Amino acid sequence: QKEVEQDPGPLSVPEGAIVSLNCTYSNSAFQYFMWYRQYSRKGPELLMYTYSSGNKEDGRFTAQVDKSSKYISLFIRDSQPSDSATYLCAPVETSGSRLTFGEGTQLTVNP
Amino acid sequence: GAVVSQHPSWVICKSGTSVKIECRSLDFQATTMFWYRQFPKQSLMLMATSNEGSKATYEQGVEKDKFLINHASLTLSTLTVTSAHPEDSSFYICSARDRGQGVSPLHFGNGTRLTVT
Repeated sequence: QKEVEQDPGPLSVPEGAIVSLNCTYSNSAFQYFMWYRQYSRKGPELLMYTYSSGNKEDGRFTAQVDKSSKYISLFIRDSQPSDSATYLCAPVETSGSRLTFGEGTQLTVNP
Repeated sequence: GAVVSQHPSWVICKSGTSVKIECRSLDFQATTMFWYRQFPKQSLMLMATSNEGSKATYEQGVEKDKFLINHASLTLSTLTVTSAHPEDSSFYICSARDRGQGVSPLHFGNGTRLTVT
């Protein structure tokens, strides 16, 4: 079983839609959770970074963590064509510094 | 925000030659930098952890003699692909964490696309 599972998609939505991106993980040592966005042929850029269970909002983006079920989500409201990218979840352990990436979900927002 | 600069952004080389990729943290110091490899439509795979002033730690299956890593300062790490072959063609990405921020997010460079002919 992979430590981090993420549906690779592809996911295609119309502009303005609410997008839900999800990951599950199996390692209980994961305590910090990051979401990265990666455009084609570019390095990943950090979107959200959260520690505790619950929601964290930043503009149109909301990160949600449920440690009891080992489930993390990223919601995008009012999606825009510029949101078209691959989204990677990346949990990290408290004691170490390595990130474990999910497969990434490829998102396309159609105008 | 924290910026990681990676150079070159792309390189084409002939089989058997060596290629060096540089990774710099521009506005912060990084005790540790990470080198990833990404094949098309796949996620990032960690190759090695580069530690300033000491030897790199390689992931299982990564040949340390082929992928030489040097982390000579708190702002620079280099990855040298030695005797490159076509199967080494890939997207190589470095990342770094601000040494002053404990468990903090990694900041990534924009990657280097290596093509070996």
